Amino acid sequence: TQLLEQSPQFLSIQEGENLTVYCNSSSVFSSLQWYRQEPGEGPVLLVTVVTGGEVKKLKRLTFQFGDARKDSSLHITAAQTGDTGLYLCAGAANQAGTALIFGKGTTLSVSS
Amino acid sequence: NAGVTQTPKFQVLKTGQSMTLQCAQDMNHEYMSWYRQDPGMGLRLIHYSVGAGITDQGEVPNGYNVSRSTTEDFPLRLLSAAPSQTSVYFCASSNSRTGANTGELFFGEGSRLTVL
Repeated sequence: TQLLEQSPQFLSIQEGENLTVYCNSSSVFSSLQWYRQEPGEGPVLLVTVVTGGEVKKLKRLTFQFGDARKDSSLHITAAQTGDTGLYLCAGAANQAGTALIFGKGTTLSVSS
Repeated sequence: NAGVTQTPKFQVLKTGQSMTLQCAQDMNHEYMSWYRQDPGMGLRLIHYSVGAGITDQGEVPNGYNVSRSTTEDFPLRLLSAAPSQTSVYFCASSNSRTGANTGELFFGEGSRLTVL
C-alpha cells in the first residue's frame, strides 16, 4: 500500500513568515499533485510535479519533487492571510495511475 | 459553468436507511471518483470509474456501491447507512483517463452526511 505522509499536521504562523510543508512516502510516484482546500469547498489543484528533482514556482509558492520521486515539499515565502487553508498532496496508488490517494493534509493558519 | 455538481449538500439519515448521493459533471470527463473526508484523515478514495460501464474499488469501498451508466453521472449508494459513514463526501472528475498522472481532479462542493 502506498501511503503519503504529510507534516506538519498543523501550522500556525504570522503574516510575512516563511514555511515548508512536506509530503513523504516509501514508494515511488510517477507524479505528485498539491491541492489547496478552503472550508466548505472542494480541493483545488495548485500544481503537478512529474520529473524527479523538478522545481515549480507559483508566485510565492515553490514546489519540489524529490530526485527519487518519493517525496515533495511546498514552500511558501512571506505568507499572507489568504494562504490559510488545508494543503493536500496526492499521488497515484496503483500502476495504472487510476487510484489517486491523498495525504492527511496540513492545516495552515496565517494571522495578521 | 456548472463543473461537478453534487446533491444533496446536506442529509441526515437514521441507521439502516439507504440513500444515493448524486454526482454529475458537464465537462465530458472520462474519469470520476468518490472520496470521503473525515477530520484528521484527509481524503480517502471510495470508488472510481475510468469510463461508462467501468468501476473499481478504492481505499475504503465497504458499505458503498457505485455504477456508471453514462459519462456524466456517477452516483454513490449507501444501502444500509451506519454512523461510521458520517462524513463529508466529495465527487471529482478528471479529463485524464488515468485520473492521476498529470490529470487535474475537479471537485464538487461536497455532500455532508450525518447518520444517527
